[in-house]
Amino acid sequence: GAVVSQHPSWVICKSGTSVKIECRSLDFQATTMFWYRQFPKQSLMLMATSNEGSKATYEQGVEKDKFLINHASLTLSTLTVTSAHPEDSSFYICSASSRQVPDEQYFGPGTRLTVT
Amino acid sequence: AQSVTQPDIHITVSEGASLELRCNYSYGATPYLFWYVQSPGQGLQLLLKYFSGDTLVQGIKGFEAEFKRSQSSFNLRKPSVHWSDAAEYFCAVVRGSSNTGKLIFGQGTTLQVKP
Repeated sequence: GAVVSQHPSWVICKSGTSVKIECRSLDFQATTMFWYRQFPKQSLMLMATSNEGSKATYEQGVEKDKFLINHASLTLSTLTVTSAHPEDSSFYICSASSRQVPDEQYFGPGTRLTVT
Repeated sequence: AQSVTQPDIHITVSEGASLELRCNYSYGATPYLFWYVQSPGQGLQLLLKYFSGDTLVQGIKGFEAEFKRSQSSFNLRKPSVHWSDAAEYFCAVVRGSSNTGKLIFGQGTTLQVKP
């Protein structure tokens, strides 16, 4: 089946620093990738959508200068949280869909970010 | 605006008992609906989806869901729950009239299974 990985699975960083999260589709080409944020015991909130080779489309209320998304290849998208603050601490999840099966998304296991 | 509501935050059932998880959506047209399961350390897994056609949808792991337009509901059911079904379950709808993939998730329902 289609597999999406995320790295790292968890990260701790200090306030003011930046952290990069990678999302990879391991066995298919991801034409579209999505980034979600999940607070503890809460739902997933879509942050942005990215298509390979194009700029990401951010959801209302998501700061694009703070959450930099790059979809440089058909198998890799990265989310960089710049100048992180404790309120950015959350669970970040990516998903990917392919041209062959555009109706389904395959989710990564998520990355737990803690900003101290 | 579109929304998805899962009225039950936490449900506990005995192993072998039947299960129904509720999901209500708000959208005027026919929505694209999904049920996902989230287990610790694993990505969300698609259980089933409804786009059109037969309103009773069969999914993986013995789950099924029924789309009821009159009730704006898409409830998930399983006739006999196994201990391994304990997890977080999310109902989701695609935002908009076409399948853009931009999902709106419900709040989730935590399923606990008693031995």
